[in-house]
Amino acid sequence: DIVMTQTPLSSPVTLGQPASISCRSSQSLVHSDGNTYLSWLQQRPGQPPRLLIYKISNHFPGVPDRFSGSGRGTDFTLTISRVEAEDVGVYYCMQATHVPYTFGQGTKLEIK
Amino acid sequence: EVQLVESGGDLVRPGRSLRLSCTGSGFTFGDYAMSWARQAPGKGLEWVGFIRKETYGGTAEYAASVEGRFFISRDDSESIAYLQMNGLKIEDTAVYYCRRGDAGDYWGQGTLVTVAS
Repeated sequence: DIVMTQTPLSSPVTLGQPASISCRSSQSLVHSDGNTYLSWLQQRPGQPPRLLIYKISNHFPGVPDRFSGSGRGTDFTLTISRVEAEDVGVYYCMQATHVPYTFGQGTKLEIK
Repeated sequence: EVQLVESGGDLVRPGRSLRLSCTGSGFTFGDYAMSWARQAPGKGLEWVGFIRKETYGGTAEYAASVEGRFFISRDDSESIAYLQMNGLKIEDTAVYYCRRGDAGDYWGQGTLVTVAS
């Protein structure tokens, strides 16, 4: 199974400052069709997860532009350009290239 | 507006069975794979499995932790996906989420399954 490792596991940030989360996979996530099925999800407290970014860097409709995704192969990053109070929650990366699909362990974003 | 509504969560004894339903609306249900994920209390997300759309054979894939015990099916005429859970274990206690697509773009609100004696 593909292991998804996120760092850090906890990220205290100041409002208005940038934040980034890293996700590393144990194998390349490039699919045989040429796509890389790496997604980022946000789970606010008491809410179900919601999709932010798919295929490394594509915004899901309704997601603010301050969220961006980057990376390739086995190393990926979610960046929030300026953290807002509503961004508090847990962020997960997920790979959907290799069955079984797998999630990272989650990164808790909190305000300092 | 895309909506996914799970139902069927309950308190059950170990070894018993339970079937969850996921009703979709706001999209053409048969055009999408449907998938399930779960989250144990206070824990992270775990992929459970997905079922392909009928034009791709309607076959399913499962996580090793549930393979042989859980089965995903679908009724496109009713826009419902099912998760049949047999031989439930205490460690299956979780909120179960239905998702559209194999990679899961839209998520439901979840339904709680508690396995306890």
